[in-house]
Amino acid sequence: SQQGEEDPQALSIQEGENATMNCSYKTSINNLQWYRQNSGRGLVHLILIRSNEREKHSGRLRVTLDTSKKSSSLLITASRAADTASYFCATDPASGSARQLTFGSGTQLTVLP
Amino acid sequence: DGGITQSPKYLFRKEGQNVTLSCEQNLNHDAMYWYRQDPGQGLRLIYYSQIVNDFQKGDIAEGYSVSREKKESFPLTVTSAQKNPTAFYLCASSMRPGPQNQPQHFGDGTRLSIL
Repeated sequence: SQQGEEDPQALSIQEGENATMNCSYKTSINNLQWYRQNSGRGLVHLILIRSNEREKHSGRLRVTLDTSKKSSSLLITASRAADTASYFCATDPASGSARQLTFGSGTQLTVLP
Repeated sequence: DGGITQSPKYLFRKEGQNVTLSCEQNLNHDAMYWYRQDPGQGLRLIYYSQIVNDFQKGDIAEGYSVSREKKESFPLTVTSAQKNPTAFYLCASSMRPGPQNQPQHFGDGTRLSIL
């Protein structure tokens, strides 16, 4: 079942601008992971944030996690045309009989040159 | 280079036919996964395996079968019982999950269509 839901579904920005995508989820988690998917390709892991962390950085990526609101955001700074892709959050549930990652439906980011 | 190889890239299925999608990894990962992705949607888990000779159903296992005879290989068969098989199929692997699920590494997918 889908737990993480990204918002917005689609986002179009100019090169150089910042892009922010949000992920909301329903149940307690161990960690939340962000992935990127270029058209017609597999997913690539970007960053993992644990439930006891509030913020992580990796290059131009900044991820925040608010467990009280059950939400996370992914910020891409100084975007480039090559950042055009779909971005997915995946949640690692803290409980349940089948504790597998569950993926959201993604945000399609288009960066215009 | 270590990675996951899926083949073929494109596959066509005739009515009543079973087809098998290949997934091989050389990352020495214990866990492997199969997902289905429909246009504009996220990934849905079909089957997963955390160790050789063991596998579990995911959320949408009906009409699919798998085997895990070798650590490196996790083939998926789409049977004739799967009435709507047209989709993009992704294979992934990870280190064996402990208290937390680890990041997954993905192949580049197989696009399956009905003839």
